[in-house]
Order: sequence, then C-alpha cells, then structure tokens
Amino acid sequence: RKEVEQDPGPFNVPEGATVAFNCTYSNSASQSFFWYRQDCRKEPKLLMSVYSSGNEDGRFTAQLNRASQYISLLIRDSKLSDSATYLCVVNSGNTPLVFGKGTRLSVIA
Amino acid sequence: NAGVTQTPKFQVLKTGQSMTLQCAQDMNHNSMYWYRQDPGMGLRLIYYSASEGTTDKGEVPNGYNVSRLNKREFSLRLESAAPSQTSVYFCASREIRYYTDTQYFGPGTRLTVL
Repeated sequence: RKEVEQDPGPFNVPEGATVAFNCTYSNSASQSFFWYRQDCRKEPKLLMSVYSSGNEDGRFTAQLNRASQYISLLIRDSKLSDSATYLCVVNSGNTPLVFGKGTRLSVIA
Repeated sequence: NAGVTQTPKFQVLKTGQSMTLQCAQDMNHNSMYWYRQDPGMGLRLIYYSASEGTTDKGEVPNGYNVSRLNKREFSLRLESAAPSQTSVYFCASREIRYYTDTQYFGPGTRLTVL
C-alpha cells in the first residue's frame, strides 16, 4: 500500500460548485498533514496545514480523521483560478515529507 | 528574499553528457531536497540533506550525486545523462518550527536528454 494515496481525477466542476478531495495515508504514526497546490508547469506551494480540529481558510476547509487515516479538502464556490493539482502531504516524523501524486481539478466556466 | 533559486531554468543534454543543477536558498533553512517530476506524475525524491554536511538517498537516487556545499547551496549532478532522466527537477528547502512545517520549492529546471 502506498504511503499517501489520492484519486488522480480529473475533477471537472462548474464555477460556483463545491468540490471535495480525500487522501488516505498508511502510517498511523504520521504527525502532521498539509495540502499543497501545484499550477501547471509551476512549483508546488503550501495551500494550508491540516489541524486535528479542522481548519478553514476562506473558501477552503481541511479536515483530518485520524481513526480512518484520511484527510480531506473542501473547496466552496469554485473559481476558475482554483484549477490546479492539489497534493496531499504527510509528515511521518523526522523524515522527508511524503507527497501524494495529486488530484487534478479543472473548474469550467 | 529570493526564496529558493535554481539554475539553469532549461537545459538540453546529449546522452552521456554531464551537468550540475544549482540550487540556493536565502531563508537559513537546514533541510534541502531534490525532486524530479515526470509529465503527469508525482514528485519523486532523489536526495536530501537534513543539515549542512549530511546527505541521504531518497526514492530514486541512481544516476545522481549531490553536494551540500554550505547551508545555502545544494547541487545535483548528473554524471552521464540518460534519456530516462528527462524530467523537471525541483529543489526545495524546509522550515521546521514548533508551530509550522513548510517546504518551499524553487521554480524548477526543465531538462531534456536526447
């Protein structure tokens, strides 16, 4: 089983829609979790950290479920500019971050 | 702050040629990383350096060598390039604090090996 798994998509959604991505991780000792965003032909950038209590940043909400070992990202009121690949990232300790392969989102006018 | 810089941005090599990809960060981070990303694929870790003076292999180290020249600079060398090494190479540095853990990526080097 891969350490971090994501549905590669693509998710094609109309503007204004709500879309959610899930990511599962295999290491129950994982300590911290993140979502990164990667635009086409660009470098990944941190979108948000995922806290145990869940957290919200504008239209973006991240949730962590330790019991089921998954994290989620919810995007409300999707914009064309949200089109990108979203990478699930896990920190399992004093080791390099583990990046998922990403979920591709296309928001359509 | 320039963040993480990489040179060159683009490079075309012939099979068997060698080259060094340069990476530098001005954020005083201890950890630095080299990844490759093939079209439509995820990031794969080549080598990393947890601190100045140390380097470790990642998932796909074969065909590469690295040097952590000082705290700022971490270079990646291809001794004898192969077409399978055609990829986009990203360097990154990482800030780890009690309340935050953020990895910053450079803009990438697009390498084609003919």
